[in-house]
Amino acid sequence: EPEVTQTPSHQVTQMGQEVILRCVPISNHLYFYWYRQILGQKVEFLVSFYNNEISEKSEIFDDQFSVERPDGSNFTLKIRSTKLEDSAMYFCASSAGQGGSQPQHFGDGTRLSIL
Amino acid sequence: QQQVKQSPQSLIVQKGGISIINCAYENTAFDYFPWYQQFPGKGPALLIAIRPDVSEKKEGRFTISFNKSAKQFSLHIMDSQPGDSATYFCAATEDTGRRALTFGSGTRLQVQP
Repeated sequence: EPEVTQTPSHQVTQMGQEVILRCVPISNHLYFYWYRQILGQKVEFLVSFYNNEISEKSEIFDDQFSVERPDGSNFTLKIRSTKLEDSAMYFCASSAGQGGSQPQHFGDGTRLSIL
Repeated sequence: QQQVKQSPQSLIVQKGGISIINCAYENTAFDYFPWYQQFPGKGPALLIAIRPDVSEKKEGRFTISFNKSAKQFSLHIMDSQPGDSATYFCAATEDTGRRALTFGSGTRLQVQP
């Protein structure tokens, strides 16, 4: 079964540094998402991306964050000038079509630890 | 108004028992309600989902009950098995509008053998 793959599985970074989290969505999917999950808390939406532009973002997704689809297969989340509170699991998801009922398939996440 | 409230936070059930997890929402624009199952070290995986035009949906041992007037929905796991031990998240979204999932806070289910 096709799956969303994320790399790295664990990223450790010094506060203030930039990180790039990478995702390979399912190949025929058109909608891409980033979510985060702070340890012990619920999964929170960050951003959705369609047709090479952001279609929706949450209040968490401020100027510190950016997303990009640099080629036909990768989808990245960049976090500039990381802060301690950015430590979380970051999940990438993709779906085939429009509408909330199109199942969003999640990767296994990248654990980001900011020191 | 975007919140989805989930309870209980944790649940211990004996093998063969029924596990029940409850969720409530405020936003009447929500019209699609999926449940996700998450094992340690893995991402959330879609388990079952329901629209508000039906009051119940069953897939195998998993059933969603939906009460539109009360803005509540619940997941029932019949004949719970140790392999069902995981964290369960309810979620809500708008099928035709915003596609972002709003998740509940999660329920850690432990099924004892």
